Amino acid sequence: AQSVTQLDSQVPVFEEAPVELRCNYSSSVSVYLFWYVQYPNQGLQLLLKYLSGSTLVESINGFEAEFNKSQTSFHLRKPSVHISDTAEYFCAVIPASGGSYIPTFGRGTSLIVHP
Amino acid sequence: NAGVMQNPRHLVRRRGQEARLRCSPMKGHSHVYWYRQLPEEGLKFMVYLQKENIIDESGMPKERFSAEFPKEGPSILRIQQVVRGDSAAYFCASSPPGISGNTIYFGEGSWLTVV
Repeated sequence: AQSVTQLDSQVPVFEEAPVELRCNYSSSVSVYLFWYVQYPNQGLQLLLKYLSGSTLVESINGFEAEFNKSQTSFHLRKPSVHISDTAEYFCAVIPASGGSYIPTFGRGTSLIVHP
Repeated sequence: NAGVMQNPRHLVRRRGQEARLRCSPMKGHSHVYWYRQLPEEGLKFMVYLQKENIIDESGMPKERFSAEFPKEGPSILRIQQVVRGDSAAYFCASSPPGISGNTIYFGEGSWLTVV
């Protein structure tokens, strides 16, 4: 079984400041890792994912996440946030083997960007 | 190419009534997932289906809840004899067949309110 821990339920930050949203996971097998973003009253949208290769992955809107196998982490970062980044962010894992395709999600981190 | 379509977006039911939530996956997707989201609790997996098969329903309550994904038509999540605690946002997601690691795509959600 897998589990995902998002250490911060809420992260307030000022516009143009850097931000890091933390995600740690636990799994007995290798996993694929995802970050999703959810805007109010909407579904989840994929932000970025790590399957293999370079441990640093980037999204088109300036977010990046780095897979750290030894620390079992996949923290999400952005060097300068905008008001429009205010949303709920979910980290998720899927086993890379074993035949289960079911993602396990963390409880989410609410990013609140203040002007 | 339409995304995952869920309806209704909002549903109000009185205690004891039935709620039926529908989900049409993206074109070419044969895997469907249902999740429930409660405030402060993140996304909880309910059931994973492929066409005409329930693959994993370990997250679904044993009573009153059922799900299907027929050969033709949308996936249906049915909640019988609803209670106030069933009030939540229900999200459907779909993914293409094949290996683990495929991105799953979410619908906009169905918000159930039990009065």
